[in-house]
Amino acid sequence: QSVLTQPPSASETPGQRVTISCSGSSFNIGTYTVNWYQRLPGTAPKLLIYDNNQRFSGVPDRFSGSKSGTSASLAISGLQSEDEADYYCATWDDSLDGWVFGGGTKLTVL
Amino acid sequence: EVQMVESGGGSVKPGGSLRLSCAASGFTFSNAWMNWVRQAPGKGLEWVGRIKSKPDGGTTEYAAPVKGRFTISRDDSKNTAYLQMNSLKTEDTAVYYCTTGGYYFDFWGQGTLVTVSS
Repeated sequence: QSVLTQPPSASETPGQRVTISCSGSSFNIGTYTVNWYQRLPGTAPKLLIYDNNQRFSGVPDRFSGSKSGTSASLAISGLQSEDEADYYCATWDDSLDGWVFGGGTKLTVL
Repeated sequence: EVQMVESGGGSVKPGGSLRLSCAASGFTFSNAWMNWVRQAPGKGLEWVGRIKSKPDGGTTEYAAPVKGRFTISRDDSKNTAYLQMNSLKTEDTAVYYCTTGGYYFDFWGQGTLVTVSS
């Protein structure tokens, strides 16, 4: 059971917009900024979004992040087949005194 | 270009030990905080621990499941971070990644597989 809760799966058709949620608590998301990572099949994770809504170098502006209270979300617009991947949110947690990840969301582009 | 290459993975019996290495290049290693993150088969990402840069104290922090069994160290002269894993358990089976960063993990290695099985 992950400290941060993400839906296990999401799907949408090419060109559409999808949003992935990440729910936490006052010990983590409520206090610290959230980062998002993308793990394409067979590859290492890559940083997409840091500090809630800052795109990492080279990340297309189709990807955006937001945070409100103890929840965060990642939005991907203009979906492309190459966006099919696992997406993870992450932040620091005061009660565990360490980094925590969401369980991951497997995005399928139909 | 930033590059991080993990090595040292392999198969080991429960109770055994293994040391992973992470050789880095393309950035000022001595100023970087280094983390280890793992992914067990069919599971999500799990932070293992980190070591701060020496200018920031060089201290280490660990996730609860590995505290007391794993030790992270660094050799700035070799641009290399290490993960010493002792008293290994079957649940430590995972791909282990090294990654840089204090507030986010900006660069990742390709990972090395550790299998703990009798």
